[in-house]
Amino acid sequence: AQTVTQSQPEMSVQEAETVTLSCTYDTSESDYYLFWYKQPPSRQMILVIRQEAYKQQNATENRFSVNFQKAAKSFSLKISDSQLGDAAMYFCAYRRRTGNQFYFGTGTSLTVIP
Amino acid sequence: SQTIHQWPATLVQPVGSPLSLECTVEGTSNPNLYWYRQAAGRGLQLLFYSIGIGQISSEVPQNLSASRPQDRQFILSSKKLLLSDSGFYLCAWSAQGAVNEQFFGPGTRLTVL
Repeated sequence: AQTVTQSQPEMSVQEAETVTLSCTYDTSESDYYLFWYKQPPSRQMILVIRQEAYKQQNATENRFSVNFQKAAKSFSLKISDSQLGDAAMYFCAYRRRTGNQFYFGTGTSLTVIP
Repeated sequence: SQTIHQWPATLVQPVGSPLSLECTVEGTSNPNLYWYRQAAGRGLQLLFYSIGIGQISSEVPQNLSASRPQDRQFILSSKKLLLSDSGFYLCAWSAQGAVNEQFFGPGTRLTVL
């Protein structure tokens, strides 16, 4: 069974600094997809970034980037130049290429300190 | 463009009462549909998913049920609510056969008293 682990229940970062959120997953598949979702206080889930396992290049979306280590089954999210609006719960998620189910971690609550 | 709706936004129900939460998707056909529950301060628990009309997969045995009477409509129900059913319920959709992400609705906050 696939599991996704986020070992940091809470993190904080000073505004304009950089923070890295950790995620590890367990799978026997070789082809899959990984996602980071953001859930602000409004509770609306928003996709932050997506990584396809067969791509070696780490995905980047503006201030957000990932460090994808396939052999280590690690998928961390780096937020650069943190802004107050980045404060949210962040969820890591996994989906097998041929599957319909998404597996989510327990989330990391990020606080941005002005 | 695609949109996903959930209602009601908030609901307060007594223990033992029935439940019906509705989710509809617009702008796409034959989506995969999902119901999640998020307890306070916790992650997402997949309750049900559906790949087509009348096709429901249950992930967690409980007193909840789901139905998909139409292609873009997904309903979460209960005959008798328990206190432990309180939480935030999210509906989501993803495209069939594609490797896209899930798109989430705004959620329903359910409080069982």
